[in-house]
Amino acid sequence: QIQLVQSGPELKKPGESVKISCKASGYTFTDYAMNWVKQAPGNGLKWMGWINTQTGKPTYADDFKQRFVFSLETSASTAYLQINNLNIEDTATYFCTRYNPSVGFAYWGQGTLVTVSS
Amino acid sequence: DIVMTQAPLSVSVTPGESASISCRSSKSLLHSNGITYVYWYLQKPGKSPQLLIYRMSNLASGVPDRFSGSGSETDFTLKISRVEAEDVGIYYCGQLLENPLTFGSGTKLEIK
Repeated sequence: QIQLVQSGPELKKPGESVKISCKASGYTFTDYAMNWVKQAPGNGLKWMGWINTQTGKPTYADDFKQRFVFSLETSASTAYLQINNLNIEDTATYFCTRYNPSVGFAYWGQGTLVTVSS
Repeated sequence: DIVMTQAPLSVSVTPGESASISCRSSKSLLHSNGITYVYWYLQKPGKSPQLLIYRMSNLASGVPDRFSGSGSETDFTLKISRVEAEDVGIYYCGQLLENPLTFGSGTKLEIK
């Protein structure tokens, strides 16, 4: 069965970096783009962008163009989200979600909570 | 950016009754290919969002047929018939017509 399994919760200090993983299984990784979605505590869903799993080309939403990096390890069917120079406003749960042109976001990771605190 | 506006903020429903959630987009979500790119998700407490409806009116795999989606180019409705306790959570609409992809702010469904 199709699964997206994300790495565990992270506690970081302001200014540090974090790298979250999203391991896919049950399908051919390069057949579908991977998207990232942010959910701050008590807030709604905010789309961060996506990465083309065939070419590795990332596309970032405007609010996520400066300190955010999407990457891949195709041989491991894994997508990564790195956030540099963390600040308090980065405290959130981050979800990876697979994009299918026919149905949209049918599969989601379980989410990774990143807490930024001094 | 396309703004997705949901109403109401919250709804309280007696089990067995129906509930409707509205979503309005700031731009038509009807593509020239005839597909309307609006989607509905349910996020149960402490869980990831799950897809309920895709392309305005198509039921996602495994979703009970108590859920249905309808609408026009800019006004959309999610209807839940015969609400059950397991339906509690926050419902989001979202658009996949153009980047940046955007979501509504959510509607919380509670059971009376």
